[in-house]
Amino acid sequence: DQQVKQNSPSLSVQEGRISILNCDYTNSMFDYFLWYKKYPAEGPTFLISISSIKDKNEDGRFTVFLNKSAKHLSLHIVPSQPGDSAVYFCAASAMETGNQFYFGTGTSLTVIP
Amino acid sequence: DSGVTQTPKHLITATGQRVTLRCSPRSGDLSVYWYQQSLDQGLQFLIHYYNGEERAKGNILERFSAQQFPDLHSELNLSSLELGDSALYFCASSVDFSSYNSPLHFGNGTRLTVT
Repeated sequence: DQQVKQNSPSLSVQEGRISILNCDYTNSMFDYFLWYKKYPAEGPTFLISISSIKDKNEDGRFTVFLNKSAKHLSLHIVPSQPGDSAVYFCAASAMETGNQFYFGTGTSLTVIP
Repeated sequence: DSGVTQTPKHLITATGQRVTLRCSPRSGDLSVYWYQQSLDQGLQFLIHYYNGEERAKGNILERFSAQQFPDLHSELNLSSLELGDSALYFCASSVDFSSYNSPLHFGNGTRLTVT
C-alpha cells in the first residue's frame, strides 16, 4: 500500500529554469513532510521539510508547497543547476506514527546545461 | 558526509545464506532506523531502535532481525536469503525517540545481491 506517491519517475529541465517535482499522499493523518535528495552510491540527504500548519517553506533555491485539501506537495527548484541532478524522494510522517516515514518511489531530475 | 557509517558497502551471497549488516549512527544520535530499497521501490521502513530498545516495526520479514548495542551501533541480520532480498539497505539515525519533526540522517547503504 503506497501511501506516498511520486507519479513522475523522471524529469528533465534546462539549467536556469524551474524544476517542479510532485508528490501525492493518501493518508490524511500525515502532518510532516520532507524532501530528500539522493546521488548515486550515496544515501538520501535531507533537503527541506514542511509541517501541515504551513502551506509553504523556503530555503534558498528550494521551496516546498503543501496543499492539504488535495493531499499534494511539490518541490520547486529555482533556478535549476546541473548539480541538482539527482533522485528526489518525498516522505511523510504523522505524529501518531512518528517513528516511521513513508517514502515515495522517487523522481530522477536531470538538469541539462 | 551524514556521519552515519554502514558496512559493508557491497555484499554478494547465495540463497539460503545469512548476512549481517552493520550501522554506526551519528555521534549523539540515539535512534537507528533500517530501510530497504528494492528496484524501483521507495524506501520501505523495516525497524526502529532507540537507545537499545526496539520501538517500531514495519514491513520486516520474520527471517530478518536487528538489534542495537550499548555503544548504539546496530546490526541487521538477514537469514535464509532469497533472490528477492536483493536490495539496498539503508540505516538512518536521529537524536530523538521520535523522528516526527526531525529529519533522518542516512548512511550510504549496503547493496546486497543474492545469487
